[in-house]
Amino acid sequence: AQSVAQPEDQVNVAEGNPLTVKCTYSVSGNPYLFWYVQYPNRGLQFLLKYITGDNLVKGSYGFEAEFNKSQTSFHLKKPSALVSDSALYFCAVRPYYNQGGKLIFGQGTELSVKP
Amino acid sequence: EPEVTQTPSHQVTQMGQEVILRCVPISNHLYFYWYRQILGQKVEFLVSFYNNEISEKSEIFDDQFSVERPDGSNFTLKIRSTKLEDSAMYFCASSGQLNYEQYFGPGTRLTVT
Repeated sequence: AQSVAQPEDQVNVAEGNPLTVKCTYSVSGNPYLFWYVQYPNRGLQFLLKYITGDNLVKGSYGFEAEFNKSQTSFHLKKPSALVSDSALYFCAVRPYYNQGGKLIFGQGTELSVKP
Repeated sequence: EPEVTQTPSHQVTQMGQEVILRCVPISNHLYFYWYRQILGQKVEFLVSFYNNEISEKSEIFDDQFSVERPDGSNFTLKIRSTKLEDSAMYFCASSGQLNYEQYFGPGTRLTVT
């Protein structure tokens, strides 16, 4: 079955330190990969995506993610965390062959950045 | 910056009643979606819609659910006879192209009592 896993329910980081939010997937073929962020009482905001090309993709607010095909992972990273980065982060996958656009989401990771 | 809007933000209804959740996608987008998130669970795909017809639907999207684009701006999700287990946050999304990112609305929290 197709699935996305975010192994950590919560990630705690000190401000200024690098952060990583992990995502692995189980989808056949070469999927399209996305990261979204959700702030309280807001919808999901798009951060970045991997479709093809360079394995390291850069997105909004200084975030980047690295696609690793052999490990079927798409971890979200940021070199220096801000308190304002504290939010709920979702990894999502769309199988390349899917013509309906369906996204499969991970369960989300709560990122907490302390001053 | 254009955004997806949804109304109402919170809807309370009694079991067995019909509800219509409304969405206004980004104006030049062509693909439209509904997702839902039951409290504490993953965001789940319900249905996608393109060119005035359903492109794909999940197992959740049974005969009790329907979608419609009644005019050039609105996109609605109707639940004909709500059940307690329909209580969830419902998100509308839209995208300009199939391979593009989807932009989500703020959600409608549906509470079925």
